[in-house]
This record gives sequence, C-alpha cells and structure tokens, in this order.
Amino acid sequence: GEDVEQSLFLSVREGDSSVINCTYTDSSSTYLYWYKQEPGAGLQLLTYIFSNMDMKQDQRLTVLLNKKDKHLSLRIADTQTGDSAIYFCAESPPTGTASKLTFGTGTRLQVTL
Amino acid sequence: NAGVMQNPRHLVRRRGQEARLRCSPMKGHSHVYWYRQLPEEGLKFMVYLQKENIIDESGMPKERFSAEFPKEGPSILRIQQVVRGDSAAYFCASSLLTENTGELFFGEGSRLTVL
Repeated sequence: GEDVEQSLFLSVREGDSSVINCTYTDSSSTYLYWYKQEPGAGLQLLTYIFSNMDMKQDQRLTVLLNKKDKHLSLRIADTQTGDSAIYFCAESPPTGTASKLTFGTGTRLQVTL
Repeated sequence: NAGVMQNPRHLVRRRGQEARLRCSPMKGHSHVYWYRQLPEEGLKFMVYLQKENIIDESGMPKERFSAEFPKEGPSILRIQQVVRGDSAAYFCASSLLTENTGELFFGEGSRLTVL
C-alpha cells in the first residue's frame, strides 16, 4: 500500500530549527518531496530528493532520507514567522506516472516569537 | 502570470447542482492533474490528463465526477448533482511533457462549498 504519515502539529520559536518528519511505506518510491501550503493557497514545491540520495541541502532546508526505515525529514534552520504553514511530504510511484503523488496529511508548523 | 490558473477560486453550490472547475496549466505544460483536499486532510489524487486523453482516473469517484482536457482551452473538472461531502478544495497541477522528476506545479485551488 501507499501510506504517508506525518505528525499533525509542530511549534517552534523563531530562530530555532524545525524538524518535520514523515514515514512512508512504498520503499520503491522514486522521488520524495516536500511541499509548503500557506493559508488559502496552493502547494509550493520546496525541495525533492531522489531515492538513491541520503541527504540534500538547499539554503536553510536540509532533507534527510533513511530508506531502510522509510523515513524522510525536513529540517528548517533559523525558522522564521514566514515559515508558518502546512508542510506535506509526498512520494512518487516507482512505476507509471511519476507525477501521481501520494501525499501525507500535512504537518502544521507554528512559529512563535 | 505563467503559473497554473484555476477558477473560480471559491464556488458555492446547493445540493443537486453542478459544479465546474477550470484549470489552465503552465505555459508549455501538457500534463494536468487534479487533486482533492478534504478539510484537515492531505491531497488525494483524482485524475491525470493529457490533451484530449484521460491517462489515469483511478482516483475519481465512479459516479458524478468527470474530467476533460480538450485540445483547446482549459481542463475542466465537472461534478454533477453535488452533495455536501463534495465540499473540498480542488487543486490542479501541471508538469512538463519531458519532466522526469515528477515535479508538479500547483494552482491556488478552487474551494467548493455545498450547502
């Protein structure tokens, strides 16, 4: 099956690091993604990682992939109030349509002053 | 604006009416996807279309829902005889024909409320 699970809520102080976790069940997924959704808006792709990579860093964002445990995480360094949003992880299937993504339920990140 | 355009942004319908949601993909994109987001849930795949073809509709409800992507004009998601359970945000996304990373570009969504 294809289930992607995330914790529902995370609260951090401005300036701290945020770590959002995700677990998935389809070990054959090709790509794994992190999307950000601000209130009333669509999803914005933050970053993605190919399944043969362990880590990817992009400015304040660090993605870690543990294929053995089927665990994906997104670390946001120096979290800002503008980072407050819902973060979705998603996986693409190993075969068929690459863009037919399976999304997690989202983690709501609240950044406090 | 070269992004994915959806309209209407908000739509209110009474039970039994029809809802039509439109999506224009990003310029140069020929792949369109529709996803549904129920309140407090993640996005669920509904259908994948290319011009004049439905490629994968495995996520579409069997009845009342249909989608098209004509040769000219936007993609349309049509919901007939709406019920309260259809209330959701419907997101359209597009991707490049040659894109192999599966990267999707999303519109801002159409929020359907059924009274």
